[in-house]
Amino acid sequence: KNQVEQSPQSLIILEGKNCTLQCNYTVSPFSNLRWYKQDTGRGPVSLTIMTFSENTKSNGRYTATLDADTKQSSLHITASQLSDSASYICVVIRYSGAGSYQLTFGKGTKLSVIP
Amino acid sequence: NAGVTQTPKFQVLKTGQSMTLQCAQDMNHNSMYWYRQDPGMGLRLIYYSASEGTTDKGEVPNGYNVSRLNKREFSLRLESAAPSQTSVYFCASSRENLSGANVLTFGAGSRLTVL
Repeated sequence: KNQVEQSPQSLIILEGKNCTLQCNYTVSPFSNLRWYKQDTGRGPVSLTIMTFSENTKSNGRYTATLDADTKQSSLHITASQLSDSASYICVVIRYSGAGSYQLTFGKGTKLSVIP
Repeated sequence: NAGVTQTPKFQVLKTGQSMTLQCAQDMNHNSMYWYRQDPGMGLRLIYYSASEGTTDKGEVPNGYNVSRLNKREFSLRLESAAPSQTSVYFCASSRENLSGANVLTFGAGSRLTVL
């Protein structure tokens, strides 16, 4: 079964600290993996897209890694800011044939950054 | 630059009532989607439209109908609302049908409560 599991479910960190969010998936065949940030009361916004051949990709203070062999991805946030408080959603895209793709969403990790 | 606009933002219905959620995008995207987001669950696809004039069922289509009115607009209709349809609904669009590079752009969401 195609699944995306994220951990932890929730996380509280002090402003300025680093944190790492995890995503494990069983989706196959793999096309790409995306991390989205969802602020409370808003729609998700794309942070990064990881293709099969990419191991690491950075977007400012956000760094995503992908290990396609172990089917794991992580999102590392450096020097956290209050504005990083949000849910972070891992999405894995698989090719479902005939030019179509399917998305499987994780449940998200709710990050709270406190002063 | 509005992106994806959803209306209404909030709605309370009684069981059995009908309503339509409206969605419009101004990015000239071909593909549009309706998702629902429930606590403790990942986003689930209700219906999508790969191009103007076409619609297809997603993961959880029961109890919903959609209309791709034109390239810009994609509406979601609940003919006879049920409490199980209490959720936050997100409309999204992408330039082409989902593939390795195309990114989903989400609206801000519509929170629906069915009593």
